[in-house]
Amino acid sequence: DVKVTQSSRYLVKRTGEKVFLECVQDMDHENMFWYRQDPGLGLRLIYFSYDVKMKEKGDIPEGYSVSREKKERFSLILESASTNQTSMYLCASSSGGYDYGYTFGSGTRLTVV
Amino acid sequence: LAKTTQPISMDSYEGQEVNITCSHNNIATNDYITWYQQFPSQGPRFIIQGYKTKVTNEVASLFIPADRKSSTLSLPRVSLSDTAVYYCLVGDGDTDKLIFGTGTRLQVFP
Repeated sequence: DVKVTQSSRYLVKRTGEKVFLECVQDMDHENMFWYRQDPGLGLRLIYFSYDVKMKEKGDIPEGYSVSREKKERFSLILESASTNQTSMYLCASSSGGYDYGYTFGSGTRLTVV
Repeated sequence: LAKTTQPISMDSYEGQEVNITCSHNNIATNDYITWYQQFPSQGPRFIIQGYKTKVTNEVASLFIPADRKSSTLSLPRVSLSDTAVYYCLVGDGDTDKLIFGTGTRLQVFP
């Protein structure tokens, strides 16, 4: 079964900490995405990547950065975590093209205290 | 930017057919329309995808009119386990970005 695996289901971090959220996919997909999901705000795109070492800003990139050193791995970095970054973070991958079929990970619920 | 809207919530009873519509007034010409199901504390799960007319798989049907400005997810004979949030996903005609719908919370009652 194809998978997108997020390294943690739940994380609690302190304000100001540097936080790494890891995502690995085993489908050889070119495209990978990071979303955050908040009640009443739906899914919002943070960053995405169409290739190794390539990244593009999504709709809400402020306070985040990403890294894609290998095709299967896409990391989301919170340089200095703040309480307003408490959220559910979802990683997804797709093969690209017009028949977008995202495969999502199970999500990481991050709480910043 | 495409505005992709869905009803906030819907209620149904087991065994009924449920139709959830997504309005997307500026969909990209070549993009498919995709629907996802999400349970609490899980990532969205792919349900069905289509470009035009009607698509059917083992869990749902998707109806897309000729102008593609909307799409309707049809769940036949829902069960309690279909209680979830349903999202459509379309490409924006101006930016080519993928836009998730606002999500519809479906509650199925016994």
